[in-house]
Amino acid sequence: RKEVEQDPGPFNVPEGATVAFNCTYSNSASQSFFWYRQDCRKEPKLLMSVYSSGNEDGRFTAQLNRASQYISLLIRDSKLSDSATYLCVVNQPGNQFYFGTGTSLTVIP
Amino acid sequence: SQTIHQWPATLVQPVGSPLSLECTVEGTSNPNLYWYRQAAGRGLQLLFYSVGIGQISSEVPQNLSASRPQDRQFILSSKKLLLSDSGFYLCAWSVPEVAIRGYTFGSGTRLTVV
Repeated sequence: RKEVEQDPGPFNVPEGATVAFNCTYSNSASQSFFWYRQDCRKEPKLLMSVYSSGNEDGRFTAQLNRASQYISLLIRDSKLSDSATYLCVVNQPGNQFYFGTGTSLTVIP
Repeated sequence: SQTIHQWPATLVQPVGSPLSLECTVEGTSNPNLYWYRQAAGRGLQLLFYSVGIGQISSEVPQNLSASRPQDRQFILSSKKLLLSDSGFYLCAWSVPEVAIRGYTFGSGTRLTVV
């Protein structure tokens, strides 16, 4: 079983739509969680950390469900510039990071 | 502020040739350093990580090697490249207390082995 699993998509949504991505992880001892954004042919960049209580940054909301071992990312009012691949990342004891394969999002005019 | 430099940006190498990719970090001390590879249409694969000078851990057996000759320098090498070594190579750093801050990636090297 993979450490981190994501639906690869692709998600094609119209501008202004709300879209949600989920990611599951296998190790219950995982300690910290992140969402990264990767534009085509570019390096991944940290989008936001995910906290147990859930956290919001503008149009982006991240949530963690430890009992079910999944994290989610919600994007409201999608913009064309949100088109990218979104990677979930899980940090396990020993500072081991595991990346999902990414979910592709295309926002359509 | 901390910055990470990786070069070259693109590289085309023949099969059997050697490889050396370099990564340096500025503005921090004793970072954790990582080499990742991303094959076309696939996820990130951790190749090597280092918690200090001369300390290298390998995640995947392959014909690649890594070295950390200085605190903020991380080098990825190969003596003889294979076609399957083509991919997008990313260096990353983190502070040891990574739980909050995650990784920062370099801009990557796109390697094509021909």
